[in-house]
Amino acid sequence: DAGVIQSPRHEVTEMGQEVTLRCKLISGHNSLFWYRQTMMRGLELLIYFNNNVPIDDSGMPEDRFSAKMPNASFSTLKIQPSEPRDSAVYFCASSSSTGGTDTQYFGPGTRLTVL
Amino acid sequence: GENVEQHPSTLSVQEGDSAVIKCTYSDSASNYFPWYKQELGKGPQLIIDIRSNVGEKKDQRIAVTLNKTAKHFSLHITETQPEDSAVYFCAATDSWGKFQFGAGTQVVVTP
Repeated sequence: DAGVIQSPRHEVTEMGQEVTLRCKLISGHNSLFWYRQTMMRGLELLIYFNNNVPIDDSGMPEDRFSAKMPNASFSTLKIQPSEPRDSAVYFCASSSSTGGTDTQYFGPGTRLTVL
Repeated sequence: GENVEQHPSTLSVQEGDSAVIKCTYSDSASNYFPWYKQELGKGPQLIIDIRSNVGEKKDQRIAVTLNKTAKHFSLHITETQPEDSAVYFCAATDSWGKFQFGAGTQVVVTP
């Protein structure tokens, strides 16, 4: 069975541009987590969904960030407008629990560089 | 909120020796403790996990121990091999069920 799928794997963009990151959950999973990883701050949870509903978005840095789950198997994370400080690796993870207290499986990540 | 501290930040071991990574957590309600291995350019991969009703779990060369009273848990890798070189992260669930990750340990296994 395929794991979590993320696209693109690498994204280089200029400050002010819109960036959309995509994630496909593992089949049968119902919880989706977006993380950001930087050297300075480590792995930070941005937002998580359960059954397509956003449960906690307290980690979203600011209004420039938004996330959606248009269906049970797919999610997008959008940054508009992007800034150089958004440069990081963004991971999504999925699990089959009703909350966060179960095994999360990570995708390969999207390395974002904002010039 | 939950706070997870992980030590050491870097660990260099000779091939064949054991490696131990320790984590402490603050939230007594935490009940799930996974360990992830992250290789360069890849996402974190679960290698072992433990729940609060168990004190120890082993999977081949990897073991995890949990002391709920002291609020610490440890990862033990025996007979280390070069392919064990990676960054290892511990995590603990907070009161809301979200994962709080440690800062990571860079493990280098030298032949």
